[in-house]
Amino acid sequence: QKEVEQNSGPLSVPEGAIASLNCTYSDRGSQSFFWYRQYSGKSPELIMFIYSNGDKEDGRFTAQLNKASQYVSLLIRDSQPSDSATYLCAVKGLTGGGNKLTFGTGTQLKVEL
Amino acid sequence: DTEVTQTPKHLVMGMTNKKSLKCEQHMGHRAMYWYKQKAKKPPELMFVYSYEKLSINESVPSRFSPECPNSSLLNLHLHALQPEDSALYLCASSQALRGAGGELFFGEGSRLTVL
Repeated sequence: QKEVEQNSGPLSVPEGAIASLNCTYSDRGSQSFFWYRQYSGKSPELIMFIYSNGDKEDGRFTAQLNKASQYVSLLIRDSQPSDSATYLCAVKGLTGGGNKLTFGTGTQLKVEL
Repeated sequence: DTEVTQTPKHLVMGMTNKKSLKCEQHMGHRAMYWYKQKAKKPPELMFVYSYEKLSINESVPSRFSPECPNSSLLNLHLHALQPEDSALYLCASSQALRGAGGELFFGEGSRLTVL
């Protein structure tokens, strides 16, 4: 079982719709959960982080965490063509003094006009 | 603008060359990272430094040699690389936290081509 799993996509949504991206993780001791956006040829850019169960909203983005189910998700409301990118879920546990960040394989999102 | 600066942005080297990648951050972070990323793959952790000490080495071949001269600088020395080492090398920094927190901030990356 992979440590962090994501559906690779592509996930296609029409402009203005809600995009829902999902991620599961295997280490129950994981403490911190991050969503990064990566455009082709660019470096990952942090868009959301969440540490506690529940929802966290920031503008058009909402991160959801369910530690019991080992599940984290990202909702993008009012999707725009500029949101088209690969979204990487990343998880930090206690390995390596708490400094090891493990990435999922990423989900490619395409927002269509 | 990223607060993690990597140089050079592009590097082409032969298999017998010795070169270095450099990374600098001024956010007061005490954890610094090297990741390697191949096309259409996620970043793959190579090394982590915490308080200038190497805390994680993900079984990286010795032709890659990291160095952390001080809390703001991180180098990756390259020697006798193979063409399959061609990739985007990403530096990142974060607060060094054991518990929740410590989001990583990435530099723009150094794109390495080994001929």
